Amino acid sequence: GAGVSQSPSNKVTEKGKDVELRCDPISGHTALYWYRQSLGQGLEFLIYFQGNSAPDKSGLPSDRFSAERTGGSVSTLTIQRTQQEDSAVYLCASSLGLGSYNEQFFGPGTRLTVL
Amino acid sequence: AQKITQTQPGMFVQEKEAVTLDCTYDTSDQSYGLFWYKQPSSGEMIFLIYQGSYDEQNATEGRYSLNFQKARKSANLVISASQLGDSAMYFCAMRGSFWDSSYKLIFGSGTRLLVRP
Repeated sequence: GAGVSQSPSNKVTEKGKDVELRCDPISGHTALYWYRQSLGQGLEFLIYFQGNSAPDKSGLPSDRFSAERTGGSVSTLTIQRTQQEDSAVYLCASSLGLGSYNEQFFGPGTRLTVL
Repeated sequence: AQKITQTQPGMFVQEKEAVTLDCTYDTSDQSYGLFWYKQPSSGEMIFLIYQGSYDEQNATEGRYSLNFQKARKSANLVISASQLGDSAMYFCAMRGSFWDSSYKLIFGSGTRLLVRP
């Protein structure tokens, strides 16, 4: 079966522009996570969805970041008025549920470069 | 606060030899999960092995084993019979606090492993 997919794989944008990053989780996975990987900060949690709701938004770095999930499937991470410090690889992961064993399957990531 | 520490930024190992990647963690939770992921140069995070805090035996998955020492709060990854394809970045991670119910992963800073032919 298909794994987690993300698009685009690479995105170059100018400072101040808005960007949308997409994640397609594994079919049937109810939990979806967004992480960011940058040189200075390592891997950091951004937001998580259970179904279409986001109970934990604690990792969003600013109000320029938002995310939504529709139909319990596809998720979009939106960054408004991008800044150079937003440059990073954005990773999406999904898991079957929130059981005590919670293997998260990761997508290939979207590399965002803000000029 | 929960924290994962990987003290080896980089390591070398000779092909066919075993290597241990260190990981220590800090948590006040009684129930938690520990994970190891591999990230090759392609960038994708590949799940390797899982250890639950209540598991009495060390986890094993093929050539990977996790040396879990709960009292010392360590969860070292052992790779036996290293292969050239094992060259990658390795991340130790812990499932987030049971109480926040998000099960987000908290990652260490990673260890870059290079297998020499």
